[in-house]
Amino acid sequence: RKEVEQDPGPFNVPEGATVAFNCTYSNSASQSFFWYRQDCRKEPKLLMSVYSSGNEDGRFTAQLNRASQYISLLIRDSKLSDSATYLCVGSRSNFGNEKLTFGTGTRLTIIP
Amino acid sequence: DGGITQSPKYLFRKEGQNVTLSCEQNLNHDAMYWYRQDPGQGLRLIYYSQIVNDFQKGDIAEGYSVSREKKESFPLTVTSAQKNPTAFYLCATRGGSGVFGKLFFGSGTQLSVL
Repeated sequence: RKEVEQDPGPFNVPEGATVAFNCTYSNSASQSFFWYRQDCRKEPKLLMSVYSSGNEDGRFTAQLNRASQYISLLIRDSKLSDSATYLCVGSRSNFGNEKLTFGTGTRLTIIP
Repeated sequence: DGGITQSPKYLFRKEGQNVTLSCEQNLNHDAMYWYRQDPGQGLRLIYYSQIVNDFQKGDIAEGYSVSREKKESFPLTVTSAQKNPTAFYLCATRGGSGVFGKLFFGSGTQLSVL
């Protein structure tokens, strides 16, 4: 089982809709999480950090459920510009170092 | 401008050739990373460095080498031993403390084999 898993999608969602997708993690030692968005052939860009129960930034809400070991990302009032791949990242300590583990990404397409 | 600069944007390698990808940062971050991304796959860690003159192998280090002689620079060499080098290579730095630190990425280098 992969340490961080995401549904690869694609999710095709009409403009203005609300969309949510989850990221599950298998290592309970993971302490913090991040959502990045990545456009095709571009670098990932940080969208949100999730350290405790959740975080909200405008139309985006991230929630962490430690009991069930998943992080969710909710996008409200979706825009065409939200079309991208969303990467989930888990961070934990690993023998004195910090280990980051990436999911394979969830592809989102917003349809006009 | 503050940030991470990767060069070149596109690179072509002939069989048996070593090539070097450049990564420079002026964010004053100690930790630097090299990732490889293949189509439809997640990022895989090649090498990382948490301090000058020290670096560690990641999950897929075979066929690659790095150096960290300066805080600002973390070049990656793709050697002829790497038999499948075609991929998108991303350099990153990490700011903040410990497991709460955030990754910042350069714009990437697309490496292809001729």
